[in-house]
Order: sequence, then structure tokens, then C-alpha cells
Amino acid sequence: KQEVTQIPAALSVPEGENLVLNCSFTDSAIYNLQWFRQDPGKGLTSLLLIQSSQREQTSGRLNASLDKSSGRSTLYIAASQPGDSATYLCAVRGNAGKSTFGDGTTLTVKP
Amino acid sequence: DAGVIQSPRHEVTEMGQEVTLRCKPISGHNSLFWYRQTMMRGLELLIYFNNNVPIDDSGMPEDRFSAKMPNASFSTLKIQPSEPRDSAVYFCASNQGDRANEQYFGPGTRLTVT
Repeated sequence: KQEVTQIPAALSVPEGENLVLNCSFTDSAIYNLQWFRQDPGKGLTSLLLIQSSQREQTSGRLNASLDKSSGRSTLYIAASQPGDSATYLCAVRGNAGKSTFGDGTTLTVKP
Repeated sequence: DAGVIQSPRHEVTEMGQEVTLRCKPISGHNSLFWYRQTMMRGLELLIYFNNNVPIDDSGMPEDRFSAKMPNASFSTLKIQPSEPRDSAVYFCASNQGDRANEQYFGPGTRLTVT
């Protein structure tokens, strides 16, 4: 059974700082990995999707990497802003199509 | 596109009542997912459909839960009878094509069972 862990559970940084969020998974037989953002009381917004054959994906200030063999992904946020404050979730999709989510990292960026 | 549409957005009901949650996926998407989110268990996949056919319902907690997808543009998740421990936010998501593509989430239905 796939297990997904996100560390840390919460992170607080000053505005402008670069930061890294971590996601680890136990079963490396994945199809892809997707990073989401969730604002309080809202749904999930897709940020980046990395296929199992890819090493990284970039969108604006966000860069996600994937090391399938070691069961790890990181989400790098450059020059953080208060508007980046949210909970970030990673989801690992297995070959059967089912996704397993981590519990998320709650990020607070202080002005 | 309006995105994934869910209704109602909030539902408060008494224990024992039937609850029906509705979802309209993004037009053209042929996979649909129902998730439940709670503080205790995080986000859990309940069931997912591909081309209107249930593929994996192993996450459905009990027989009180059932889901249908009568056509490509509509799905329901029903709880009968509801219990207080069913209180959660229920999300519907969809994606186009196969598992390679991104999942898009609806705004969720916040269910409170008293």
C-alpha cells in the first residue's frame, strides 16, 4: 500500500525567502506525482504534474523535482510572497490510476 | 470552462437522513474521482470512474456509501443513512484522457451530520 509523507507539517518563513517542501512515498512504482495548493476552506488547485519519466517541472517561481528511485519529490518556491501562504499537498498516482495524498505542509509567509 | 461543479456547497443534516452530493466534471474529461477530506484522515480517495464505469471503489468506507455515474457529465455520491462521523468535505475531481493528465478539483461540499 502506497504511503505518502510530507515534511514539515508546517513552515513559517519571512517574505522573500526561498524554500523547499518535501514529499516522500514508499512505493516507487508510480505513474506521476502532482503538487496541489489548498487555501483554507477551498478546493485544491493543481500546481505542477511530473510524469514518472521526468525529473522536474517548472512553472514561474515553482520548481518540482522527482527522484522516483528514492521515493522523493521536492517543491521549490523562489522568492516567497505572503500570497503563497496555503497548504501544499502532493499526490502520487499509481499505475492503476489511483492517487494517494500526503497530509500536506501548511506554509505561512510573513510580510 | 466553469471547472468541476459540485452541489450543494454546504449540507447540514440529521443523523439517519439520506444525503446526495452531486458533481459535474469538466466537459470532455472521462475520469471522475470522489474524495473525502477530514482533519483526522486527510484526503482519501473513495471511488473513481473511467468512462462512466467504476474502476476502484476500495475507498468507499461502508455499504451506506454509494456512487453512480449515469453519464459523462454527472455523478452522485449518496450516503444512506448518514452518521455524524461522515461529516467531512467531499471533493469531486476529473481528468481528461488517461492517468497521465492532471486532476482538477471542484470546490467541495462541506457535510455536517448532527
